[in-house]
Amino acid sequence: LAKTTQPISMDSYEGQEVNITCSHNNIATNDYITWYQQFPSQGPRFIIQGYKTKVTNEVASLFIPADRKSSTLSLPRVSLSDTAVYYCLAPYGSSNTGKLIFGQGTTLQVKP
Amino acid sequence: DTAVSQTPKYLVTQMGNDKSIKCEQNLGHDTMYWYKQDSKKFLKIMFSYNNKELIINETVPNRFSPKSPDKAHLNLHINSLELGDSAVYFCASSPPRGGAPPNDSAKNIQYFGAGTRLSVL
Repeated sequence: LAKTTQPISMDSYEGQEVNITCSHNNIATNDYITWYQQFPSQGPRFIIQGYKTKVTNEVASLFIPADRKSSTLSLPRVSLSDTAVYYCLAPYGSSNTGKLIFGQGTTLQVKP
Repeated sequence: DTAVSQTPKYLVTQMGNDKSIKCEQNLGHDTMYWYKQDSKKFLKIMFSYNNKELIINETVPNRFSPKSPDKAHLNLHINSLELGDSAVYFCASSPPRGGAPPNDSAKNIQYFGAGTRLSVL
């Protein structure tokens, strides 16, 4: 079953840059790679999305290589409030279900 | 105003009972979803409706029955609750696609509710 693969957990310290890489070898050719952030007791929320190359917004950057088989979420200078679970969503195949495989996410713990 | 709202936020019940979780979105989206999140943070799609029509029905016991009275609501009814149904259930919605990447105007972003924590005793 094609799926995304991310590290289960990561630790960092305040002020550091954090990079979380997601592998998605069977990504659909005509769909976006999307990252979501989930704080405790809340629903996931959209943070960034890309199709190719690099995308940057006020929260993060997303790096996507030419083959699109992976993507890296970059959080600059993290703070304690960035402690959360980060999900990579990379649709595969042509079915509707293949577009919605979130997986386990990466739990990021930011320490003071 | 909350864009995607679920009620109740917490639900504690006994095995064998029947319960419902309600979801409403005021974003004007066409597509709504139900997800189940287990204790290990796996977020799994259960159902998806587009304009009140079921488009995704994953391998979910038929004790779970979604109902969409209109495109702004997608409720989840669960019969004969079991211990393994304990989890957090999330409702979400997304706008219709506006084309194919990289020119897709809507980009299929999902908006989630705050979740309903179901505990079956």
